[in-house]
Amino acid sequence: SQQGEEDPQALSIQEGENATMNCSYKTSINNLQWYRQNSGRGLVHLILIRSNEREKHSGRLRVTLDTSKKSSSLLITASRAADTASYFCATRGSNYKLTFGKGTLLTVNP
Amino acid sequence: DAGVIQSPRHEVTEMGQEVTLRCKPISGHNSLFWYRQTMMRGLELLIYFNNNVPIDDSGMPEDRFSAKMPNASFSTLKIQPSEPRDSAVYFCASSLAYLGTGTGRNEQYFGPGTRLTVT
Repeated sequence: SQQGEEDPQALSIQEGENATMNCSYKTSINNLQWYRQNSGRGLVHLILIRSNEREKHSGRLRVTLDTSKKSSSLLITASRAADTASYFCATRGSNYKLTFGKGTLLTVNP
Repeated sequence: DAGVIQSPRHEVTEMGQEVTLRCKPISGHNSLFWYRQTMMRGLELLIYFNNNVPIDDSGMPEDRFSAKMPNASFSTLKIQPSEPRDSAVYFCASSLAYLGTGTGRNEQYFGPGTRLTVT
């Protein structure tokens, strides 16, 4: 089964609103990463949070990690139409592998 | 840097034909990954190379699939013979990866993908 599971599967909001996506995983991790995929394109790395970190910021992105609950959240503040994409969490365990969830499709309406 | 380069971007072929997908990773990266993405199964790791050596091919679905990395700047994924269920988007990704334990980063850089349609 997938290591990372995003929730919700789809999210539709208005421009300017905040978008929150969640990711749950099953086994211990080394780090957790979030990627964005625009339609018809490859995945783009957004942000990485290590297992010993609880929160990280990058521009309008805020990621939290709760290893006790095996969950992470990605917050996009002041969303824009250009943020419309699928967002994936990926977990890295003790080896090289990244295991991706099935993603959250975010639609930001202008 | 041009990023990860994949070719072709689109491939339409008939069942039974051989298909070869190509990838040029980012210069200096020592790890290369082939993924397959479908609506039903999401993003699946097919095979991973480190320093041109296949480390894990457990995701390769069948013997019809094979992958090579003859040097640090080139890899191929071959399907022979192709079947309609192989239709998917195939991504190549590269990273500067550190094996073993530790809190290394290992973020991956993806190519634009090859959309394969087998009729």
